Amino acid sequence: DSGVTQTPKHLITATGQRVTLRCSPRSGDLSVYWYQQSLDQGLQFLIQYYNGEERAKGNILERFSAQQFPDLHSELNLSSLELGDSALYFCASSVTQGDTEAFFGQGTRLTVV
Amino acid sequence: AQKITQTQPGMFVQEKEAVTLDCTYDTSDPSYGLFWYKQPSSGEMIFLIYQGSYDQQNATEGRYSLNFQKARKSANLVISASQLGDSAMYFCAMREGPYNQGGKLIFGQGTELSVKP
Repeated sequence: DSGVTQTPKHLITATGQRVTLRCSPRSGDLSVYWYQQSLDQGLQFLIQYYNGEERAKGNILERFSAQQFPDLHSELNLSSLELGDSALYFCASSVTQGDTEAFFGQGTRLTVV
Repeated sequence: AQKITQTQPGMFVQEKEAVTLDCTYDTSDPSYGLFWYKQPSSGEMIFLIYQGSYDQQNATEGRYSLNFQKARKSANLVISASQLGDSAMYFCAMREGPYNQGGKLIFGQGTELSVKP
């Protein structure tokens, strides 16, 4: 168990809908990262938050947004969902912004039908 | 250009033998970190080992060691005494920039390792 908790584990939704994925980092970790894993794109970095502030952005679509709350949990919001958004979404956390380890949650498998 | 290249999409190894998974990287930043993760069929990403660009010695963690050849920009993972439970997808990843300035990881495409009994 990495200590990073993601909910839900599985999500099936229809095109055009909006979903929220939740991540609770390991106790004491200030940095949260979101990644998307799909068959065609592989594992891609989406966005990073550090102590509540956005620190880095990757290949995140405008339809997607995220935030990190004062208690350090983070949410990734995906809207106007398309079939191509079906993927495994991971959250990772680390103590600092550039730690020697980054622990991943179990992922949320999103299926858009 | 690919920053992390894993040229072996799939590999087989006999149980109890050692196996090397290849990873080459591309960066002009003098400060970077290299990671290996294991992803079993259940989907979770398990951190295995880390090597910093300024580390003088190769990293080791139990049966895992990282063969770091800086001049060749390679960071191969060596698994000794393979076990059936080692069957999984293995990802090499790189973090660019100094320790305290961002930590996003760039991943390779992965190598699927199958351990034969």
